Amino acid sequence: GAVVSQHPSWVICKSGTSVKIECRSLDFQATTMFWYRQFPKQSLMLMATSNEGSKATYEQGVEKDKFLINHASLTLSTLTVTSAHPEDSSFYICSASQGSLHGYTFGSGTRLTVV
Amino acid sequence: AQTVTQSQPEMSVQEAETVTLSCTYDTSESDYYLFWYKQPPSRQMILVIRQEAYKQQNATENRFSVNFQKAAKSFSLKISDSQLGDAAMYFCARPFTSGTYKYIFGTGTRLKVLA
Repeated sequence: GAVVSQHPSWVICKSGTSVKIECRSLDFQATTMFWYRQFPKQSLMLMATSNEGSKATYEQGVEKDKFLINHASLTLSTLTVTSAHPEDSSFYICSASQGSLHGYTFGSGTRLTVV
Repeated sequence: AQTVTQSQPEMSVQEAETVTLSCTYDTSESDYYLFWYKQPPSRQMILVIRQEAYKQQNATENRFSVNFQKAAKSFSLKISDSQLGDAAMYFCARPFTSGTYKYIFGTGTRLKVLA
């Protein structure tokens, strides 16, 4: 079945630094990937749609300059949290579709802690 | 507004018993997909079951089945013969609009399975 690998699974960084999270589709090509954010005991909130070869589409209220998304190949999308602050601490999850509407595959998530 | 509502923040079920998780949604479309995802403590999102709105028949996957009431915009998940491994957060989801892979997730229901 389709597998999406997300790395790292957890990261701790200092305020003001940048952190990059990778999302890879291992056995299929994904022209579109999605990045979600999940606060403790809450649902998933869509942050942006990552499109291969073009600019990402951000949801309302998401700062595109803070959350940089790059989708350079059909199997890799990266989310960079720039100048991280404690309020950016959260669980970030990516997902990718194989091109059907039958649901898509999620990565295992990244827990980001900014200290 | 397009919403997905899960009115039960938490549910408990005795092992081997049956439990039903509720989900209602809002849409103006006639053809769409609906999904239930499971998020265990590992936080990996797992697709449980999907329903195509144009199909009259309720979807079934082993111990998991749905009660889809299109007119009422209701999409409940029934878990039969509950097992300890079923303990998790369950999210109901639907695409923003047909033809898109962007999902709206409900707020989730935490299911506890009692031995």
